[in-house]
Amino acid sequence: DGGITQSPKYLFRKEGQNVTLSCEQNLNHDAMYWYRQDPGQGLRLIYYSQIVNDFQKGDIAEGYSVSREKKESFPLTVTSAQKNPTAFYLCASSIRFGRFYEQYFGPGTRLTVT
Amino acid sequence: EDKVVQSPLSLVVHEGDTVTLNCSYEVTNFRSLLWYKQEKKAPTFLFMLTSSGIEKKSGRLSSILDKKELFSILNITATQTGDSAIYLCAVDLDGGSEKLVFGKGTKLTVNP
Repeated sequence: DGGITQSPKYLFRKEGQNVTLSCEQNLNHDAMYWYRQDPGQGLRLIYYSQIVNDFQKGDIAEGYSVSREKKESFPLTVTSAQKNPTAFYLCASSIRFGRFYEQYFGPGTRLTVT
Repeated sequence: EDKVVQSPLSLVVHEGDTVTLNCSYEVTNFRSLLWYKQEKKAPTFLFMLTSSGIEKKSGRLSSILDKKELFSILNITATQTGDSAIYLCAVDLDGGSEKLVFGKGTKLTVNP
């Protein structure tokens, strides 16, 4: 089955700790994206990657970092510099960058930092 | 600044009612408008609209775009409890700043 997976579903961390969220796809998609969703808010773009070994900042990249060493994987690290890390994080992919109508979303990771 | 505004933010109806969700936008380089349904987790794609006045339809859901007045509506007829979800509107930008700009969503609750 082709798809996009995120793990874990729920993550709890203490303030001051870095945490890495996993995102894997087996759709052979070139482009991958990370979004953040807060209650009552739409999705906001954190980082995106058009192709392996390349990534670009989105609208709210401060306090986050990513890597794209493999086509299938686009992990997101939430660093201690992120002021309000508690949120729902969604990863997505599309066959190539810009084909948003063909964007597949993962099931999301809900991060709680206390 | 590119902006997408959805209204209402929240709506509670009874099964069988018809609802209309609104999405207005102010963006620099419009390419298309997309509607998503989000039930708890991942948003699922509903419609993509690029041309004014052409209705897209899927079962009880339909949507239309007005590029002159800069808005779109999503209609759901004969609502069912399974329609309860957050409905997201997003505008796809062109012209070198390719990205989706999302509205805050409309939370629809359909009561039996």
